[in-house]
Amino acid sequence: DTGVSQDPRHKITKRGQNVTFRCDPISEHNRLYWYRQTLGQGPEFLTYFQNEAQLEKSRLLSDRFSAERPKGSFSTLEIQRTEQGDSAMYLCASSLTQGNDGYTFGSGTRLTVV
Amino acid sequence: QKEVEQDPGPLSVPEGAIVSLNCTYSNSAFQYFMWYRQYSRKGPELLMYTYSSGNKEDGRFTAQVDKSSKYISLFIRDSQPSDSATYLCAMRGGGGNKLTFGTGTQLKVEL
Repeated sequence: DTGVSQDPRHKITKRGQNVTFRCDPISEHNRLYWYRQTLGQGPEFLTYFQNEAQLEKSRLLSDRFSAERPKGSFSTLEIQRTEQGDSAMYLCASSLTQGNDGYTFGSGTRLTVV
Repeated sequence: QKEVEQDPGPLSVPEGAIVSLNCTYSNSAFQYFMWYRQYSRKGPELLMYTYSSGNKEDGRFTAQVDKSSKYISLFIRDSQPSDSATYLCAMRGGGGNKLTFGTGTQLKVEL
């Protein structure tokens, strides 16, 4: 068990480009979460999956954002037509179903839109 | 007003000091309370997890929850320079899935 893995660690993109991030959760965890964190703030919830089903999306997740977890294992988060306001750390976390513990976070993907 | 309020600091203490970190919240539905430690440019790491009111101790760390006051605390005894990080409180409701975080308190433990 290598924990939650995220790729890439850093991404610099030009405004208007599309970007995709990948998250590999802990293998036995069936819940997967995406959060966004900006400088000086705590992480903010974006969306979560139970297995392959996307069960909740935040209002923060505009139409330009889409997340998938096609086989209930890894997940991708795509941002289309990136804007400078999308610059942030994108964190993935996983947990067991209704696990009575906290979630395990990955190290995040830091996105910079120039 | 945010659901979870946390003083951002920075908080600077000498090595060996007892550190007290706090959060207040407004949502009475929160039942699970967590403290995460986050080093610069890293993901949050779970330190403590408590359910409902009460105390929980793990080594140098003690978490306290007072639901009647909507107030949670993390105490760090014998603080070390390696404890220098941002400490985030987080909480969720009984049937909820998402965590609501505070802004984080930046702690520096000086030699």
